[in-house]
Amino acid sequence: GENVEQHPSTLSVQEGDSAVIKCTYSDSASNYFPWYKQELGKRPQLIIDIRSNVGEKKDQRIAVTLNKTAKHFSLHITETQPEDSAVYFCAASGWLNYGGATNKLIFGTGTLLAVQP
Amino acid sequence: AAGVIQSPRHLIKEKRETATLKCYPIPRHDTVYWYQQGPGQDPQFLISFYEKMQSDKGSIPDRFSAQQFSDYHSELNMSSLELGDSALYFCASSQYGGNADTQYFGPGTRLTVL
Repeated sequence: GENVEQHPSTLSVQEGDSAVIKCTYSDSASNYFPWYKQELGKRPQLIIDIRSNVGEKKDQRIAVTLNKTAKHFSLHITETQPEDSAVYFCAASGWLNYGGATNKLIFGTGTLLAVQP
Repeated sequence: AAGVIQSPRHLIKEKRETATLKCYPIPRHDTVYWYQQGPGQDPQFLISFYEKMQSDKGSIPDRFSAQQFSDYHSELNMSSLELGDSALYFCASSQYGGNADTQYFGPGTRLTVL
């Protein structure tokens, strides 16, 4: 089955610096790669996603890159702010037709990002 | 905008008891997923439903069952609860067609088994 590895497990940066989190996946059939931000005890919040037909996507201070050949995808946060502090999860899924539609998310193990003021 | 609703938000049960968790997807969303997240862990997929039919199954114990109803809400039934079942249970929903792979998570139900 699909396996997603995520690094680093913890990341501490100074406010204003950039943060990069990297993930690799095992199943070449995976074609959807979302990133979720989760604060303690709260729900995972979708912050950005990318599909396999795109190599890069940007939304203000957040960008995601995808290298399908290497099965790598990365999250880039620029000009970090203290409110960016949270656990970030990458995930992967592949379209699975089963009478209709379903594509379970396989999550990475998470990165605890701490932005120091 | 309307979001995924889960109830109850907190639940405390004794070992060997049963629990029922409810999920109300975003309006017009027809697919529901259940995930279990232990302390310090990533969410683990349990089961999903599309148009009231089970569409995929993950690491869900035989003690658990789930279904999706005609109004698309879903319920996760958990029996013979064990201490290890203590976790956050999230429901997510998506809509077939368009960005069908985009899942939006509910606020979760925190289950504590004593």
